[in-house]
Amino acid sequence: KAGVTQTPRYLIKTRGQQVTLSCSPISGHRSVSWYQQTPGQGLQFLFEYFSETQRNKGNFPGRFSGRQFSNSRSEMNVSTLELGDSALYLCASSGGTEAFFGQGTRLTVV
Amino acid sequence: AQSVSQHNHHVILSEAASLELGCNYSYGGTVNLFWYVQYPGQHLQLLLKYFSGDPLVKGIKGFEAEFIKSKFSFNLRKPSVQWSDTAEYFCAVTMTGTASKLTFGTGTRLQVTL
Repeated sequence: KAGVTQTPRYLIKTRGQQVTLSCSPISGHRSVSWYQQTPGQGLQFLFEYFSETQRNKGNFPGRFSGRQFSNSRSEMNVSTLELGDSALYLCASSGGTEAFFGQGTRLTVV
Repeated sequence: AQSVSQHNHHVILSEAASLELGCNYSYGGTVNLFWYVQYPGQHLQLLLKYFSGDPLVKGIKGFEAEFIKSKFSFNLRKPSVQWSDTAEYFCAVTMTGTASKLTFGTGTRLQVTL
């Protein structure tokens, strides 16, 4: 059974640009969540999508957005990048009471 | 807002020593609790979870955790650690009844020496 796949693994962007990260969940899972991991703030919940609808949202500014497609694949977008957005972005898929995490996308903003 | 505290940031143990990592959460309602492990260079993996029932939960690789509601705690234990247990351990809580919207602790780095 294939795990959670995140692409790309690494990204370098310039301040002010926007970026789109992709997540393919485990087959059959309808819930996809996104987390930001930084040394200073740790792991923080961004949002969750379930059957193409945002079901839960964390405390991040509106520059962070996401969507989910009918095949459950999800994308996360960050607009007007700031230096502080540099982080490891993790995607997790779930079929119920267990979340399976991907390897993450490491975003560096310069 | 709910929060999770892991008081031990860095723990160093010799092989065969016993392990207990503390986890306390702040929310007084119904919670679901998790312990995740992140081995060097790998993704987060679930060690164990508590949703209801027996407060003593057994997980993978010989780990267990005890949910003590009166103390808002969910400490992780292992009777005898191995070198391969060297990793970062995260406690997490959610109120959603699922595995989404997890609030994580800051993590405990465990180093096991031979």
